[in-house]
Amino acid sequence: AQSVTQLDSQVPVFEEAPVELRCNYSSSVSVYLFWYVQYPNQGLQLLLKYLSGSTLVKGINGFEAEFNKSQTSFHLRKPSVHISDTAEYFCAVSDRAAAAGNKLTFGGGTRVLVKP
Amino acid sequence: GAVVSQHPSWVICKSGTSVKIECRSLDFQATTMFWYRQFPKQSLMLMATSNEGSKATYEQGVEKDKFLINHASLTLSTLTVTSAHPEDSSFYICSASTSGGGNIQYFGAGTRLSVL
Repeated sequence: AQSVTQLDSQVPVFEEAPVELRCNYSSSVSVYLFWYVQYPNQGLQLLLKYLSGSTLVKGINGFEAEFNKSQTSFHLRKPSVHISDTAEYFCAVSDRAAAAGNKLTFGGGTRVLVKP
Repeated sequence: GAVVSQHPSWVICKSGTSVKIECRSLDFQATTMFWYRQFPKQSLMLMATSNEGSKATYEQGVEKDKFLINHASLTLSTLTVTSAHPEDSSFYICSASTSGGGNIQYFGAGTRLSVL
């Protein structure tokens, strides 16, 4: 079984400032890691994913995340946010083993509010 | 690529009636589709997993006779909320994935159901 903890439920940030959203996970098996963004009244859009290889992953809209296996973390960062980045962000993991299927376990979400 | 269409985006119905929500993968074949429910300001709760041509696997606590899922083809899954009641009002989101490739799920835009 896996669990995902997003340490901040809300993050207010000024426009053009950097932002970091924290994500820690717990799992007894190897996992894939994901960040999704949800705009109001919409579904989820994949921001980035870590499957293998380089632990620094770059995604869409200027976001990046770093996988840290020893700390079981996958924090999301953006060096300069825009008003349009105001949204809910979800960290998620899935079991690498194919036999386990590909269910996602989500964190509780972090609401980012970008202020002018 | 990897577009998932969900319809309708918003539906209002009377208590006791049934509502069908469609989820289509437009440019890929989805071996697995998922249905989630999301309460306001909360994370996504997985309701069921469906594989094409097989019966859906429901998560604990989800009534399979109330939430009927059909996955008749590799591009279409439907969720029918039978005899809907006001407590079924929620935001329902589907996702679709293919086998392999890191278990990536692609999400629909969601359906807001309001039961009067």
